[in-house]
Amino acid sequence: DVKVTQSSRYLVKRTGEKVFLECVQDMDHENMFWYRQDPGLGLRLIYFSYDVKMKEKGDIPEGYSVSREKKERFSLILESASTNQTSMYLCASSSGMTGNTIYFGEGSWLTVV
Amino acid sequence: GESVGLHLPTLSVQEGDNSIINCAYSNSASDYFIWYKQESGKGPQFIIDIRSNMDKRQGQRVTVLLNKTVKHLSLQIAATQPGDSAVYFCAENINNQGGKLIFGQGTELSVKP
Repeated sequence: DVKVTQSSRYLVKRTGEKVFLECVQDMDHENMFWYRQDPGLGLRLIYFSYDVKMKEKGDIPEGYSVSREKKERFSLILESASTNQTSMYLCASSSGMTGNTIYFGEGSWLTVV
Repeated sequence: GESVGLHLPTLSVQEGDNSIINCAYSNSASDYFIWYKQESGKGPQFIIDIRSNMDKRQGQRVTVLLNKTVKHLSLQIAATQPGDSAVYFCAENINNQGGKLIFGQGTELSVKP
């Protein structure tokens, strides 16, 4: 089975802190994604990556950055956390360049106070 | 803009009945569709997918129907069980846009015992 692991399930951070959300997948997938999920807004794509050291902005990249130093690992970085970044963050991965299933991790609940 | 939408935000069914969850999409270039199930506090879980060269695909207790003429996708769950209670999302992949998916808002399925 495909496994996408998000290391932190629940985090509470203070405004202005730098936050790292880590994600690892074990299926040698080329593509990795970071989404956030908010009530009434659904899933919104923050950043994605098609290969090591590659990154592309999604629909809502402001306030975030990413890092992909190894194929299996994709990190989401909040440079200076703000309360409007309180959300559930979902990492996902898929193979290939066209139309393949995206597999999700269990999510990281981030609260910024 | 182009988006994936759902006809009903909530659906309540009796245990043992069949459930039908509908989804409309507007992009005729979409070539791959996925249904996800998301239980409370968890990440989306892959249920079933279908490519645009098919109009029906069956899994275990689930069937996905694709009508490209009217850009409509549906998920049918046979003999619905309490464990099927969750939010169901459809997602579409637009041809030649890599692995990115566009997600609908979701339908909450509630199964009454």
